[in-house]
Amino acid sequence: KNQVEQSPQSLIILEGKNCTLQCNYTVSPFSNLRWYKQDTGRGPVSLTIMTFSENTKSNGRYTATLDADTKQSSLHITASQLSDSASYICVVSLMFSGGYNKLIFGAGTRLAVHP
Amino acid sequence: NAGVTQTPKFQVLKTGQSMTLQCAQDMNHNSMYWYRQDPGMGLRLIYYSASEGTTDKGEVPNGYNVSRLNKREFSLRLESAAPSQTSVYFCASIFGRGQGSTKLNTEAFFGQGTRLTVV
Repeated sequence: KNQVEQSPQSLIILEGKNCTLQCNYTVSPFSNLRWYKQDTGRGPVSLTIMTFSENTKSNGRYTATLDADTKQSSLHITASQLSDSASYICVVSLMFSGGYNKLIFGAGTRLAVHP
Repeated sequence: NAGVTQTPKFQVLKTGQSMTLQCAQDMNHNSMYWYRQDPGMGLRLIYYSASEGTTDKGEVPNGYNVSRLNKREFSLRLESAAPSQTSVYFCASIFGRGQGSTKLNTEAFFGQGTRLTVV
């Protein structure tokens, strides 16, 4: 069964600290893996996309890693800010013929950054 | 460039009422999607349209219908709303960017969501 599991479910950190969010998946055939940030009351916004040949990708203070052999990904946030408070969603994409991409969503990690 | 626009943002319905959620994208994307998001769960696919003129069921299609009116617009209809359809609904569209020998790197854009309550 194609699944994406994220941990922890929720996390509280102090402003300025670093944190790492985890994503494990059992999705095959794998196309790419994405991390999204979802602010409360808003739609998800893409942070990174990685194909199986990429093992790290950065977007400012966000760095995603991918180990396609162990089917694990992580999102590292450096020097956290209050605006980082959001849900972070790991999404794995399957590619089917006809141009349809099936996105398998994790339940997300809810991050709260406190001053 | 507005991206993906959904309307309405909030809606309260009585059980049995009908309504249509509207979605439009101005990015010339082929594929459009409707998802629902419930507490503690990942987004679940209701229906999708891989291209203009085609629609297909996703994981949780029961109680919904869709129309791909043209390349820009993809609407979701609840014919007879039920309390189990209380959720946040997201429309998304996908752009295919480049094509290698084994995979396609794609970007997905989401609307702001519609919070629907059925009482």
